[in-house]
Amino acid sequence: DGGITQSPKYLFRKEGQNVTLSCEQNLNHDAMYWYRQDPGQGLRLIYYSQIVNDFQKGDIAEGYSVSREKKESFPLTVTSAQKNPTAFYLCASSIFQGGGYTFGSGTRLTVV
Amino acid sequence: QKEVEQDPGPLSVPEGAIVSLNCTYSNSAFQYFMWYRQYSRKGPELLMYTYSSGNKEDGRFTAQVDKSSKYISLFIRDSQPSDSATYLCAMSTSGGSNYKLTFGKGTLLTVNP
Repeated sequence: DGGITQSPKYLFRKEGQNVTLSCEQNLNHDAMYWYRQDPGQGLRLIYYSQIVNDFQKGDIAEGYSVSREKKESFPLTVTSAQKNPTAFYLCASSIFQGGGYTFGSGTRLTVV
Repeated sequence: QKEVEQDPGPLSVPEGAIVSLNCTYSNSAFQYFMWYRQYSRKGPELLMYTYSSGNKEDGRFTAQVDKSSKYISLFIRDSQPSDSATYLCAMSTSGGSNYKLTFGKGTLLTVNP
């Protein structure tokens, strides 16, 4: 079945450590997105990529980094520069022509 | 003024009630309108997708778009406890290489048995 796989589902890290969240899709979608979701804040866009080897900053990119070396994969690194990294992270993909996003099941990151 | 406004609720209704969820927006260039349903600790799933103004029905769900008023609605008939979730509206100006959705903050709905 086609879809988006995010791993791991839960992630715990110590403060000051970098951590990478995985996102893989087999939908042959061109565009991929990373969102952060906090209670009462809605979905906030971190980074997005429309083609391989290219990506753009979203609204809250500070303290995050991404890469897009393959069409299927769009990993997100939460660096030690991110001041409040504990959150629910969602990856999504879409075709250019619209039709909505397909979301992954999310990764809940807790930094202690 | 935020681009998309959505009442966060929470909204609590008895089983079988008709539910009305709404969003208003300020950008008149929005053409594509969507509703997503998100269960707790899960990713959002696309529920309804409409283009421009008008109504769209799918089972117990009806989406309405009124571009003149910049107002979209989702109606749920004969609501069930399994409909309990957060509902997010989303919209976009166009497709193409700059395709990007703008989301509302979501409305938390609880349907009580």
